[in-house]
Amino acid sequence: GAVVSQHPSRVICKSGTSVKIECRSLDFQATTMFWYRQFPKQSLMLMATSNEGSKATYEQGVEKDKFLINHASLTLSTLTVTSAHPEDSSFYICSAQGQGGTEAFFGQGTRLTVV
Amino acid sequence: AQSVAQPEDQVNVAEGNPLTVKCTYSVSGNPYLFWYVQYPNRGLQFLLKYITGDNLVKGSYGFEAEFNKSQTSFHLKKPSALVSDSALYFCAVRDVLEAGTALIFGKGTTLSVSS
Repeated sequence: GAVVSQHPSRVICKSGTSVKIECRSLDFQATTMFWYRQFPKQSLMLMATSNEGSKATYEQGVEKDKFLINHASLTLSTLTVTSAHPEDSSFYICSAQGQGGTEAFFGQGTRLTVV
Repeated sequence: AQSVAQPEDQVNVAEGNPLTVKCTYSVSGNPYLFWYVQYPNRGLQFLLKYITGDNLVKGSYGFEAEFNKSQTSFHLKKPSALVSDSALYFCAVRDVLEAGTALIFGKGTTLSVSS
């Protein structure tokens, strides 16, 4: 299957700072990328969908000014958690899908801890 | 609306015994169905998918799943469980008619295989 690389795998930051998470498709062009958030022992909750060159579409209840998503190229999407708070601590997972693809491929996830 | 149900929070089996992890789904049209496995603090690993064709799908690590349209089910099975199969398993669905949309995940089932 196709490879999606997510970086960093773990990050610890102080309250009030911003953190950027990168999601790269290494061997295909990702026309659509999805960002999920996962709380311990719970399912993946979709945060937003981004299409290359367009503004992201956020799910209800997700603050778009807090979780900034940029999908500037067909191989890279970034999620920036702005002014992070301890309640933003979570596991964030991206997935990428090519044009006309039937499945999405997942990154390794990023464990964010805000202290 | 699309949805996935995994009715069991946890499944316990003894090593060497067969295992089943249940999944039912609801979509407006026809489904694309997926199973993923997640180990602690790791991303999702793809196990298998049903897109079209044979109802019995064989995947990675000896797992298989059977698509049953009349029962709207896609249960994951393995003839002989291994201790190393212990992990969190997610079923996911997407409507064939909704290309480019995110997968919808079930809540997950923790599989525990005892030696």
